[in-house]
Amino acid sequence: GAGVSQSPSNKVTEKGKDVELRCDPISGHTALYWYRQRLGQGLEFLIYFQGNSAPDKSGLPSDRFSAERTGESVSTLTIQRTQQEDSAVYLCASSLAWTPPGQPQHFGDGTRLSIL
Amino acid sequence: TQLLEQSPQFLSIQEGENLTVYCNSSSVFSSLQWYRQEPGEGPVLLVTVVTGGEVKKLKRLTFQFGDARKDSSLHITAAQPGDTGLYLCAGDRYGGATNKLIFGTGTLLAVQP
Repeated sequence: GAGVSQSPSNKVTEKGKDVELRCDPISGHTALYWYRQRLGQGLEFLIYFQGNSAPDKSGLPSDRFSAERTGESVSTLTIQRTQQEDSAVYLCASSLAWTPPGQPQHFGDGTRLSIL
Repeated sequence: TQLLEQSPQFLSIQEGENLTVYCNSSSVFSSLQWYRQEPGEGPVLLVTVVTGGEVKKLKRLTFQFGDARKDSSLHITAAQPGDTGLYLCAGDRYGGATNKLIFGTGTLLAVQP
């Protein structure tokens, strides 16, 4: 069975451009999570989805960041007017459900975003 | 505010040595997970501990959850180059209703052959 798939794997863009990152979760996983990881550091929570709704968007750094999920499957993370500080690896994870706590999250390999 | 602090941040050791990584917090967690991440890949779950005082072993890796469920440790015996990677602890807040994980700051381990 396929794992979590993210695309593109690498993205280089100029400051000020918009970027869209895609995540395909494991089939049947209702919960989906986005994280940001700076070089050699831990994961910074951005947003999570239960089905197509996002009960917790508290980690989105600014209003330039948005995310959506459709069909309880694919999710896209959009960053508008990118800044150099947005450069990082963006990781997506999915799990069977969003409750109860303690369930394992399955990660994709991330999108490495570089803003010139 | 970083709720989960890991130490050390970096560790470079020789093959065959033992090591311990610590994950500490002032908050109580219902459960705590340990992940390992290799360069260019996403984190992969190693273990979940859920009971205060619990000890789990996975081959040469021993995981412990503190009695008060505020801290955890990972001990590796006779480290091998294949153990190299970024080790992350992650916890879910006590009393929380959802699977939102709080990740630690990470420990980067390099095992030299």
